[in-house]
Amino acid sequence: GAVVSQHPSWVICKSGTSVKIECRSLDFQATTMFWYRQFPKQSLMLMATSNEGSKATYEQGVEKDKFLINHASLTLSTLTVTSAHPEDSSFYICSAATSHEQFFGPGTRLTVL
Amino acid sequence: GIQVEQSPPDLILQEGANSTLRCNFSDSVNNLQWFHQNPWGQLINLFYIPSGTKQNGRLSATTVATERYSLLYISSSQTTDSGVYFCALRGAQKLVFGQGTRLTINP
Repeated sequence: GAVVSQHPSWVICKSGTSVKIECRSLDFQATTMFWYRQFPKQSLMLMATSNEGSKATYEQGVEKDKFLINHASLTLSTLTVTSAHPEDSSFYICSAATSHEQFFGPGTRLTVL
Repeated sequence: GIQVEQSPPDLILQEGANSTLRCNFSDSVNNLQWFHQNPWGQLINLFYIPSGTKQNGRLSATTVATERYSLLYISSSQTTDSGVYFCALRGAQKLVFGQGTRLTINP
């Protein structure tokens, strides 16, 4: 099956710093990638949809200046959490889509101190 | 928008038991997926099943699109089956997830 990697798997940072998370589709090209956030014991919440070569589409309530998304190639999308604060601590998951299915990365656990 | 409801929310079983998880949805579907999120957070694709029945080992799934539900069957449960099971439908280019069923298999 299709494989999506995500790096780093976990990160701890100080409040005010920026954190970049990379998402790669390893064995297929993904014109569309997605970024999700998941709180403990809850379902996945879509943050934004990223199309290669164009600006990301953010869901309502997600600050685009706080969560910068870049989809530079058909196999790479990045999420940068700018000026992170403790409330940004969460589990972030990326996903890449084929024509029918979505495949998910292993997630990044972000802790902001 | 599309509404996805899963039941039961929690299920605790002994190893070896069988289980049925249900997913009800509000709109017609041409794309439905089942996922297993393991205790480390990884979502694993189980089935892409917009209609009909599929089987993969001890797991099988059935979607009855006309009645707007899908079922996931797990037979002879193992402790490694523990985790959260999500169904999700694609609407307007994005997946809409249910709230999940948390399955705990005790040895």
